[in-house]
Amino acid sequence: DADVTQTPRNRITKTGKRIMLECSQTKGHDRMYWYRQDPGLGLRLIYYSFDVKDINKGEISDGYSVSRQAQAKFSLSLESAIPNQTALYFCATSLSGGENTEAFFGQGTRLTVV
Amino acid sequence: AQKITQTQPGMFVQEKEAVTLDCTYDTSDQSYGLFWYKQPSSGEMIFLIYQGSYDEQNATEGRYSLNFQKARKSANLVISASQLGDSAMYFCAMRVRNQGGKLIFGQGTELSVKP
Repeated sequence: DADVTQTPRNRITKTGKRIMLECSQTKGHDRMYWYRQDPGLGLRLIYYSFDVKDINKGEISDGYSVSRQAQAKFSLSLESAIPNQTALYFCATSLSGGENTEAFFGQGTRLTVV
Repeated sequence: AQKITQTQPGMFVQEKEAVTLDCTYDTSDQSYGLFWYKQPSSGEMIFLIYQGSYDEQNATEGRYSLNFQKARKSANLVISASQLGDSAMYFCAMRVRNQGGKLIFGQGTELSVKP
């Protein structure tokens, strides 16, 4: 089993629908992140969490919300999906600490909003 | 503000030759780390190599090496003896000590290895 698991792997939804992307990890890491990937833009940070009680906005948080239900679970919600939220979404985890801590990624969720 | 720039949207290399993927970064912090990730067509993100800002030696991991030029703020990835399986998207990323662990990515470079 993967250390960082994202569900679903693929999803097509309609404009205006609420959708939740889930992420769970077995690595015991305290830090979790949500990124979106768009062609030519790389990965951009949506939200990140240092622990259950500490959640922070990234560079593109508008239109998204998150919930850290437990150390191992971090969910991303699109309250009212729109077509320009069509992207590949990644969850990642890392240990707290310095600048040398590697991030571990889930396999990605490909979301299409029609 | 921190920023990573990869100026090569796409690169081609002949199999068995070496290739350099460019990455420049911008930060005013003294403590930071630089990472390279590989993303094959299947989509997963694979960690390749890490370089710390205080490391005096360039990092190496097998066929991967990082050409770290601190004064130029560049952290180029060198792949030696390219293989067909190296065809993928490559991302440069940076983590700054005083930025709470955020990992900031560049736009990526798509590498194609020709037989």
